[in-house]
Amino acid sequence: GAGVSQSPSNKVTEKGKDVELRCDPISGHTALYWYRQSLGQGLEFLIYFQGNSAPDKSGLPSDRFSAERTGGSVSTLTIQRTQQEDSAVYLCASSFPPLSGNTIYFGEGSWLTVV
Amino acid sequence: GESVGLHLPTLSVQEGDNSIINCAYSNSASDYFIWYKQESGKGPQFIIDIRSNMDKRQGQRVTVLLNKTVKHLSLQIAATQPGDSAVYFCANNAGNMLTFGGGTRLMVKP
Repeated sequence: GAGVSQSPSNKVTEKGKDVELRCDPISGHTALYWYRQSLGQGLEFLIYFQGNSAPDKSGLPSDRFSAERTGGSVSTLTIQRTQQEDSAVYLCASSFPPLSGNTIYFGEGSWLTVV
Repeated sequence: GESVGLHLPTLSVQEGDNSIINCAYSNSASDYFIWYKQESGKGPQFIIDIRSNMDKRQGQRVTVLLNKTVKHLSLQIAATQPGDSAVYFCANNAGNMLTFGGGTRLMVKP
């Protein structure tokens, strides 16, 4: 597609359940990012993938969070044993590298509510 | 900028006036800066960017100004329209990622 595609757009889950969020980046973009945005807040960096390099996981808040990127394209963010504080919008973005000078485009986000 | 939770700084302007949204950053090593617009329920939308070798860049109705000496970035919107109402975020690069400011809510009065 023309833009970054994320699914599901909305997810309500019970506390303690696992969730998977999917991101399909813009075709040809080798850099992929996951950010989290809590209600009324700015964007918090979670993880960065670039080509076949080891991902930068420095922003993941706990070991309940993990992400994969298969075949250098689609990425899945997994949250295990969800907690209420995980409720947020999870935003995926992609770009050509390097970041400096190459526009990073965001998807519309996956809105996660943990009840 | 830092997040202030639900109480985002708000700029209220009259339709047709010019808007100026300001942002401070802290990373001296940043060399790329971006402004994003985020409407309710949507992802951030790219507006305009600037590299550190420039101090001004113009787009359609928008201008970004960069002052590296005081680590300040501003977004100017000319002839503000109701459709400009949104939250605006500045971002700067820090290694492999973008660091975002807390956002400013722009409200346009008809």
